[in-house]
Order: sequence, then structure tokens, then C-alpha cells
Amino acid sequence: GAVVSQHPSWVICKSGTSVKIECRSLDFQATTMFWYRQFPKQSLMLMATSNEGSKATYEQGVEKDKFLINHASLTLSTLTVTSAHPEDSSFYICSGRSLAGEKAYNEQFFGPGTRLTVL
Amino acid sequence: GQNIDQPTEMTATEGAIVQINCTYQTSGFNGLFWYQQHAGEAPTFLSYNVLDGLEEKGRFSSFLSRSKGYSYLLLKELQMKDSASYLCAVRSSGGSYIPTFGRGTSLIVHP
Repeated sequence: GAVVSQHPSWVICKSGTSVKIECRSLDFQATTMFWYRQFPKQSLMLMATSNEGSKATYEQGVEKDKFLINHASLTLSTLTVTSAHPEDSSFYICSGRSLAGEKAYNEQFFGPGTRLTVL
Repeated sequence: GQNIDQPTEMTATEGAIVQINCTYQTSGFNGLFWYQQHAGEAPTFLSYNVLDGLEEKGRFSSFLSRSKGYSYLLLKELQMKDSASYLCAVRSSGGSYIPTFGRGTSLIVHP
């Protein structure tokens, strides 16, 4: 399957600071990228969907001014958690999907996740 | 919207067979996925069903009945490394084809 990388894999920051998480598709062009958040023993909760070159579509209840998403190229999307607070501590996972190839629309390829801890 | 239900936790013995069920309610069904997720890691794709029937892939098989809104993931010859969370995700034909994930079933395999 295709490979998606995420950086950093974990981050600890102070309350009030901003944190940027990068998501890269290494061997395919991710026309669409998804950002999820997962709390312990909970399922993946979709935060937003972004298509390359356009604004992200946020799910209900997700603050777009707090979680800034940029998808400037077909291989890179970033999520910036602005003014992070302890309640933002979670596991953030990105995934990419391509419109090309036989598996178009049938698979999302997930990154390894970023563990964010806000003190 | 979509409603996906799967058991919270299951236990099984190494070498045995286990079946993890998933029931769903959705309008405009357009595919069901199973993912495996080890603790602290991202999900990995296991299977995709869009037509009724059984899809077999090695030790893992996935079944779908669209009329019943039901799927199961069958794991054979269980190994300790199969201890993980198994996520059922359902996609509808509306919108941008984004699957909705269930809460996941935590499978514990013991010797």
C-alpha cells in the first residue's frame, strides 16, 4: 500500500503555544487529505477534509480558527493547533486518498499519528 | 447520518477463530471497510466490501449483507500479534465518499 508519513510523532507543549503537524504522502499524490483526532479508547473522529489547493471542510463542532489546515500540494498537508490547551491533548492522525489508480476511492492511507500533550 | 455498532471488547485464545460483528444504518450504502489499529498506532487497511458475500484474504475474511446492514470480520488461527482494535467503517454515496468509523472492537488474544 501507499505510505503516509507524519511529523512529529509526538510533541509536548505548554498551554497557549501553537503546534504544527505535517502529513506527507510519500509515493502517491493525495488529492484529498483527512485529519482525525482520537481520544483514548475512542474511535477516529474526523476533524476536516482538505482537497489540494482549496480550503478545508471542517466537521461540525471543529473550530476552523483553532485547527488551521493547509493543503498546498498533492503530497503535503499541515495541521496547526493554535493556542493549544490541555483539552486538545489527543492522538492526531492524517490520511491521504488518491483519485488515481485502481483503488481510487476505496482506500485511505493513514499516517502513523502524532501524540500531542499540552501541559 | 450513519449509526455503526460493534462490540467494545472481545477475548479469544491463540490459534482459535474469532468473529467480530458490525451492524450499521446508513442511507445510500457505498462500501464497508475494516481496519486494524494497534495501540498508539495508525489504522491499517484490512478489507473492503461493497457487494454481498465473503471476501477472503489469508487469515482474515470479511462478510457483508447489505439487506441486513451487517458485516463481520473473521480472524482464523489467531496469533498474539492480532491483539488490537478492529474498526468498522461505512461509506455512504452522498457527499465526498468519506467513511464513518465505528468505536472499534478491542480484541485480546491470550495464550
